[in-house]
Amino acid sequence: DQQVKQNSPSLSVQEGRISILNCDYTNSMFDYFLWYKKYPAEGPTFLISISSIKDKNEDGRFTVFLNKSAKHLSLHIVPSQPGDSAVYFCAASEGSQGNLIFGKGTKLSVKP
Amino acid sequence: EAGVTQSPTHLIKTRGQQATLRCSPISGHTSVYWYQQALGLGLQFLLWYDEGEERNRGNFPPRFSGRQFPNYSSELNVNALELEDSALYLCASSLGDPENGYTFGSGTRLTVV
Repeated sequence: DQQVKQNSPSLSVQEGRISILNCDYTNSMFDYFLWYKKYPAEGPTFLISISSIKDKNEDGRFTVFLNKSAKHLSLHIVPSQPGDSAVYFCAASEGSQGNLIFGKGTKLSVKP
Repeated sequence: EAGVTQSPTHLIKTRGQQATLRCSPISGHTSVYWYQQALGLGLQFLLWYDEGEERNRGNFPPRFSGRQFPNYSSELNVNALELEDSALYLCASSLGDPENGYTFGSGTRLTVV
């Protein structure tokens, strides 16, 4: 049973436009949601997080939106740059469990 | 500040052998997490250690085990290796505050032949 789902395996966007990556979850006990970026042969790099008590968090070009009623979150990257091309993982945490549960990732390609 | 370091970078083992992977967390981080990323799959949670104790375990067989040492470094042991154990094994550390995420190492690529 997959608790965190990223239904789009890949996304292609033109440089300068907005990239929107989506994530759905099933566990209403999750209290933090995080986005990670991963390049080949490297470990994932933390990008941005959001607490379940908020609906939006911004950090520079990255904004995460949380819709608890729909159990859905999204990561917006504006403007997209070729260096953003990577695999993006959505992850969620249930405080008492300690570990993060990851989706399968979405490969973003930003074309010049 | 040194990041999370993992060794070895690559490891080739024969089916049935044992593999030992090592992880040094960021200084001051007491929690260490192990994840497996098999080809085409996402990150699957293996083990969580905090203050020397195993706190949680993912859905993996008992031949996946580990420990955390007094200096908070950690070891992952995989016994009776199977071909499907071939994967990237990632270690992460944190202070235990999920809002700031974990810091991952670059991983150990384990190949079982």
